[in-house]
Amino acid sequence: AQRVTQPEKLLSVFKGAPVELKCNYSYSGSPELFWYVQYSRQRLQLLLRHISRESIKGFTADLNKGETSFHLKKPFAQEEDSAMYYCALIVNYGQNFVFGPGTRLSVLP
Amino acid sequence: GAGVSQTPSNKVTEKGKYVELRCDPISGHTALYWYRQSLGQGPEFLIYFQGTGAADDSGLPNDRFFAVRPEGSVSTLKIQRTERGDSAVYLCASSLPGSAVMAGSEQFFGPGTRLTVL
Repeated sequence: AQRVTQPEKLLSVFKGAPVELKCNYSYSGSPELFWYVQYSRQRLQLLLRHISRESIKGFTADLNKGETSFHLKKPFAQEEDSAMYYCALIVNYGQNFVFGPGTRLSVLP
Repeated sequence: GAGVSQTPSNKVTEKGKYVELRCDPISGHTALYWYRQSLGQGPEFLIYFQGTGAADDSGLPNDRFFAVRPEGSVSTLKIQRTERGDSAVYLCASSLPGSAVMAGSEQFFGPGTRLTVL
């Protein structure tokens, strides 16, 4: 069965430090993965998707099929990056999304 | 333009009652999703509509849950004989259909309806 895991419920880093939010998935098909973010009192919104190979707000994520991972990275964290981050996997030709449990990132001043 | 809207924002009901939750998607978005998010968890897929039809309802937990989208725009999630375990935030999202077989389009989420069953 398809599944997304995010091992850290909470991750605290200091401003300017590198940050890595871990995401692992299990899926028998060809995976398409996303990172969604929810800032305080805002809606869930797309941060980036692996198919676009883009960097958004300094964040990048590389799909590693061998390790079945899609970790989110940023070299220098900012206080405004504090939010809930959800990794998500699309299955069944876009008809069904599987979300991980989320990681709360707290960037300390 | 206007984003996805959901009403009500909060709903408190008693065990055994019937509730309806409404979602207004972005105009022109043919794909619509419902999710349920319990405290400390990520969104859990419930049902996906493409136009008027439910293309995937595999996430509905049991037959107390039902959703409709009669005109391919507004959708209503209906829950019969509510139970305390149904308490959660119910999220709706809409998107354009994927442009390729494996290319899911970006989902735009609503603010959610917080359902509390006493």
